[in-house]
Amino acid sequence: QKEVEQNSGPLSVPEGAIASLNCTYSDRGSQSFFWYRQYSGKSPELIMFIYSNGDKEDGRFTAQLNKASQYVSLLIRDSQPSDSATYLCAVKAWNGGATNKLIFGTGTLLAVQP
Amino acid sequence: DGGITQSPKYLFRKEGQNVTLSCEQNLNHDAMYWYRQDPGQGLRLIYYSQIVNDFQKGDIAEGYSVSREKKESFPLTVTSAQKNPTAFYLCASSTGQFLNQPQHFGDGTRLSIL
Repeated sequence: QKEVEQNSGPLSVPEGAIASLNCTYSDRGSQSFFWYRQYSGKSPELIMFIYSNGDKEDGRFTAQLNKASQYVSLLIRDSQPSDSATYLCAVKAWNGGATNKLIFGTGTLLAVQP
Repeated sequence: DGGITQSPKYLFRKEGQNVTLSCEQNLNHDAMYWYRQDPGQGLRLIYYSQIVNDFQKGDIAEGYSVSREKKESFPLTVTSAQKNPTAFYLCASSTGQFLNQPQHFGDGTRLSIL
């Protein structure tokens, strides 16, 4: 059973701090990694995706991937109260050209304190 | 504006009744998906479709049915065989099944039992 693990939180950070959200996955064949933000009662919204080892930056967001350690993280710099949401990690594995399903973690609840 | 439209936003099902959730996209995406989200759980895949007139079961297909007669439409029927239908249902689409193509979500439908 392929799994994606996230700490459910809540992760509480003060406004202006860096929030670090972590995700581990079990399938070494995983190739693409996605971070979604989900506000309470709303649908998930894509923030970033990454598929190469290293860092990928987009504004205040940085995704970090370490395939050897099977670990992907999302850093949010200068956290704002509006960043308070559940962050879902999703992983897609390559299975030889057949359907490549997305496996979701249960999400980490981030609370940014003003 | 391009997007994914789900309707209705809220739906109530009576005992023994089948109900159909609508999902329409005007993004010209080939692949479409249905997920179910329960409180405190990650998204679970119900059905997916890569092209018109073709669809496959996901991880929790029992009690559900779908059709894909048009590229832009992927309705989900929750049948009376689904004994625990109360959940948040999310429709998503992507340009295809390839590794780096992210899925984008509609606003969701909340289904409850009367």
